[in-house]
Amino acid sequence: EAQVTQNPRYLITVTGKKLTVTCSQNMNHEYMSWYRQDPGLGLRQIYYSMNVEVTDKGDVPEGYKVSRKEKRNFPLILESPSPNQTSLYFCASSPLAGGLSNEKLFFGSGTQLSVL
Amino acid sequence: GQQLNQSPQSMFIQEGEDVSMNCTSSSIFNTWLWYKQDPGEGPVLLIALYKAGELTSNGRLTAQFGITRKDSFLNISASIPSDVGIYFCAGPGSGTYKYIFGTGTRLKVLA
Repeated sequence: EAQVTQNPRYLITVTGKKLTVTCSQNMNHEYMSWYRQDPGLGLRQIYYSMNVEVTDKGDVPEGYKVSRKEKRNFPLILESPSPNQTSLYFCASSPLAGGLSNEKLFFGSGTQLSVL
Repeated sequence: GQQLNQSPQSMFIQEGEDVSMNCTSSSIFNTWLWYKQDPGEGPVLLIALYKAGELTSNGRLTAQFGITRKDSFLNISASIPSDVGIYFCAGPGSGTYKYIFGTGTRLKVLA
């Protein structure tokens, strides 16, 4: 089954303790992206990647890192989490063959992160 | 950067009523997409629009690409309980590979 898989689904941590949220897709998509969802603010893009070893900042990249060493995986790293990073996080992927304008995003089920 | 503002922010309606929501941008978009997020899930694409003035339907849903290319509209006819969720407009940012989402409209349907 074609899907985007995020882990974990729920995570509670403390300020400053490094964490990684994993994302994997089995559709051979070039484009992958991370979003955070906050009430009243919608989905805001954190980082995106157009292919292996090619990443770029979205609109809210501060406090986050990403890597794209393999096409299928795009982990989100919080080196020193803070309470303002408490949010619902989504990973998404898309093929780029038709151009980004002509392709939809496939989303994972989300990771609810709480930083105490 | 480009921003997408949606209104209303939330709405409560009775089952069977029609729903209208809109999305406006500070700059021109060449593609407008509408996604729906069910509770506890990631967003799923409902409708894609590629041309100014285009009107596209998907069952009871109809979306329009505004002629100014700075807005889009989504209508739901004869709402049912499973229409509950958050509706997002979205589009690729011009000249970049950013993929921007709106602030969302939360819909609740009262049976």
